[in-house]
Amino acid sequence: GNSVTQMEGPVTLSEEAFLTINCTYTATGYPSLFWYVQYPGEGLQLLLKATKADDKGSNKGFEATYRKETTSFHLEKGSVQVSDSAVYFCALSERETSGSRLTFGEGTQLTVNP
Amino acid sequence: NAGVMQNPRHLVRRRGQEARLRCSPMKGHSHVYWYRQLPEEGLKFMVYLQKENIIDESGMPKERFSAEFPKEGPSILRIQQVVRGDSAAYFCASSPTPNSPLHFGNGTRLTVT
Repeated sequence: GNSVTQMEGPVTLSEEAFLTINCTYTATGYPSLFWYVQYPGEGLQLLLKATKADDKGSNKGFEATYRKETTSFHLEKGSVQVSDSAVYFCALSERETSGSRLTFGEGTQLTVNP
Repeated sequence: NAGVMQNPRHLVRRRGQEARLRCSPMKGHSHVYWYRQLPEEGLKFMVYLQKENIIDESGMPKERFSAEFPKEGPSILRIQQVVRGDSAAYFCASSPTPNSPLHFGNGTRLTVT
């Protein structure tokens, strides 16, 4: 079956530090890959996505590249801000599964201190 | 354009009671998904519905849980005879077509006492 593994948190950084959150996946087909962000007390918001190998998704300074050879989709940001503090979820969906059904990783809590 | 609306935001039930969670998808969205988030865990898929049809319920517990998405009105996730282990955040998401990105609501946080 499909699965997503994220680096364990929590992650604590100082403002303007470089961020990497690792994500690897297992899938039987050719999945689309996503990063979602969840702010306290809210639902998930789509941060970025990539639908095929070597695609790079980017948004709000965050980037992730779909690496088929390493089955990875690591999230990076060059300079984090306090407002980036949230939980980040890596996810995948496959056409072979129903609709837009997503398989999520466990989430990584990020705290950015001023 | 209002987003996905879930209510109530917080729901407290005693063991053995019923919980009804409502989800109104975004305007124009006819595909609804329910997910459960247990404390300190990621989201787990429960069920995928289109209007009047259950498409995929492979993530639903076999007993006590049911879901519907009628022709008119919101989607309902119903949990009968709740137990403490049902305490979680329940998220609804919607999309306009089967393979579009999902838009999530803010969730209903169910506490069973």
